[in-house]
Amino acid sequence: GENVEQHPSTLSVQEGDSAVIKCTYSDSASNYFPWYKQELGKRPQLIIDIRSNVGEKKDQRIAVTLNKTAKHFSLHITETQPEDSAVYFCAASRWDSNYQLIWGAGTKLIIKP
Amino acid sequence: DAMVIQNPRYQVTQFGKPVTLSCSQTLNHNVMYWYQQKSSQAPKLLFHYYDKDFNNEADTPDNFQSRRPNTSFCFLDIRSPGLGDAAMYLCATSSAAGTSGRAPYEQYFGPGTRLTVT
Repeated sequence: GENVEQHPSTLSVQEGDSAVIKCTYSDSASNYFPWYKQELGKRPQLIIDIRSNVGEKKDQRIAVTLNKTAKHFSLHITETQPEDSAVYFCAASRWDSNYQLIWGAGTKLIIKP
Repeated sequence: DAMVIQNPRYQVTQFGKPVTLSCSQTLNHNVMYWYQQKSSQAPKLLFHYYDKDFNNEADTPDNFQSRRPNTSFCFLDIRSPGLGDAAMYLCATSSAAGTSGRAPYEQYFGPGTRLTVT
């Protein structure tokens, strides 16, 4: 079955710097890769996603890149702000599994003022 | 304009006393999911409904049951809660076709129910 590994488990960056979180997946048939942000005590919220027919997607300060050959995808946050502090989860899924999400373990992002 | 509603938001139950958590949605999504999330961990899928078709994860304990009487509502029943069942329970919905401004397959989460077992 699919397995998703996420690194690092904790990431501390200076406000204004960039943050990068990386995930690898094992199932080459996976074709949908969302990223969720979860603030303490709140629900996971989708911040960006990418499908396997696209190599990169950007939304303001957030971007995701996908390398299908290497089976890894990354979240990039530029010009980090205090409100970016949260736990970020990557996930992978495929069309023939009702798009059930296989989750990474999460990365706690800490933005230092 | 809440789209996935979970009740109650906080639930305290006694060890072994059955409890039911509810989820409702106004998105008209055909897929509904129940997740268990413990502190600092990723959400763990317990089961999901694709329309009326129930799909149980292989490692979901028999202690957990679910009902989906109609498109809008889904319930999680914990028959005999143990201390290890204390967690946040998240309901999510998605639609293969994409509806209400949501992309296909995007899972939209409710606020969760925090379950405490005493």
